[in-house]
Amino acid sequence: DGGITQSPKYLFRKEGQNVTLSCEQNLNHDAMYWYRQDPGQGLRLIYYSQIVNDFQKGDIAEGYSVSREKKESFPLTVTSAQKNPTAFYLCASSQGQGGETQYFGPGTRLLVL
Amino acid sequence: AQSVTQLGSHVSVSEGALVLLRCNYSSSVPPYLFWYVQYPNQGLQLLLKYTTGATLVKGINGFEAEFKKSETSFHLTKPSAHMSDAAEYFCAVPGAGRRALTFGSGTRLQVQP
Repeated sequence: DGGITQSPKYLFRKEGQNVTLSCEQNLNHDAMYWYRQDPGQGLRLIYYSQIVNDFQKGDIAEGYSVSREKKESFPLTVTSAQKNPTAFYLCASSQGQGGETQYFGPGTRLLVL
Repeated sequence: AQSVTQLGSHVSVSEGALVLLRCNYSSSVPPYLFWYVQYPNQGLQLLLKYTTGATLVKGINGFEAEFKKSETSFHLTKPSAHMSDAAEYFCAVPGAGRRALTFGSGTRLQVQP
């Protein structure tokens, strides 16, 4: 079955540590996205990529980094510069440009120890 | 840039009652409008999608939404609520430059037995 997988489901970060969230899709979609979800705030765009080897900052990119070396994969690194990383992180993909239907993975919940 | 506003962060209905979740878009008629549903600790699932020219859009699980240009609205309805409809619902529109989707802040639907 085609879809988007995210791992791990839960992730714990220690002070000063970088952690990486995985996102893989087998839908053959060109575009991929990372969103952060906090209670009562909806989803906010962190980074997006419309093609391999290219990505753009979203609205809240500070403290995060991404790579897009393969069409199927779009990992997100939460760096130590992100002072408030506790949130639910959602990865999505779409066939065309950003205004098209997006399909979401199951999410990763990041907690700070 | 386009945005959406969801009125009511929490809505509570009785099982079997009408469900009405409100969404208004900000300005010119967007090419697309979306409703997504999120169950606890899961990703978002597409309920339905508006494309230019449609008025009544039917989605999954018995939901539908009516596009009203005169009211800049795209409210989500379901004639009879079921316990399994309890979830958070998000309205979304293509964001600035159509780089990604812009989401409303969400409405949590509670269904009382």
